[in-house]
Amino acid sequence: QVQLVESGGGLVKPGGSLRLSCAASGFTFSDYFMNWIRQAPGKGLEWVSHIAPSSTMKHYADSVKGRFTVYRDNAENSLYLQMNSLRAEDTATYYCARDLNWSVDSWGQGTLVTVSS
Amino acid sequence: QTVVTQEASLTVSPGGTVTLTCASSTGAVTSVNYPNWFQQKPGQAPRPLIYSTNNKHSWTPARFSGSLFGGKAALTLSGVQPEDEAEYYCLLYSGGAQPWIFGGGTKLTVL
Repeated sequence: QVQLVESGGGLVKPGGSLRLSCAASGFTFSDYFMNWIRQAPGKGLEWVSHIAPSSTMKHYADSVKGRFTVYRDNAENSLYLQMNSLRAEDTATYYCARDLNWSVDSWGQGTLVTVSS
Repeated sequence: QTVVTQEASLTVSPGGTVTLTCASSTGAVTSVNYPNWFQQKPGQAPRPLIYSTNNKHSWTPARFSGSLFGGKAALTLSGVQPEDEAEYYCLLYSGGAQPWIFGGGTKLTVL
């Protein structure tokens, strides 16, 4: 069955960096757009970034543009989010989610990133 | 920047019907916004319910339906069950540099 498993979250100081990973299984990863979506504690969902199946297109929310980089390794069925210059407001649970034909139909369980000194 | 607006909270009685809406600051929501709807319960990841306005996933209960109404996307729950108490989010596609935008969520209370 479809499975998305995020990892790499943790506690990091403001200005620090972190790389999140999302391991995909149970489907043809290279067919799907992939997204990163986050949720600050007690807040709503915020779309962060997405990447086309062959990495030819990448988009970012204004709140992370220039600081976060999304990339993928289709051979390893993995999605990544490199997060630099982290701020307190980046504290959130980060989810990866797949989409095909504008249907965001499967999410991971999320990984918590805490930015604090 | 586009803002997507949902009702902050709604209350419905068990067995009743309720409609949640999703509006865009840029104008009417249409089929090319491909509205998606998600249900989220505390401590859980969001669960997809509806995609492309009115299409259900294989796991979506029949009592959930999606539509466009009055320039908004809508999610209607008919015959509400206690387990439907949750936060509901819409997601709209707008293309461009920030293709997906979430609404702020609706907290649905079943009382």
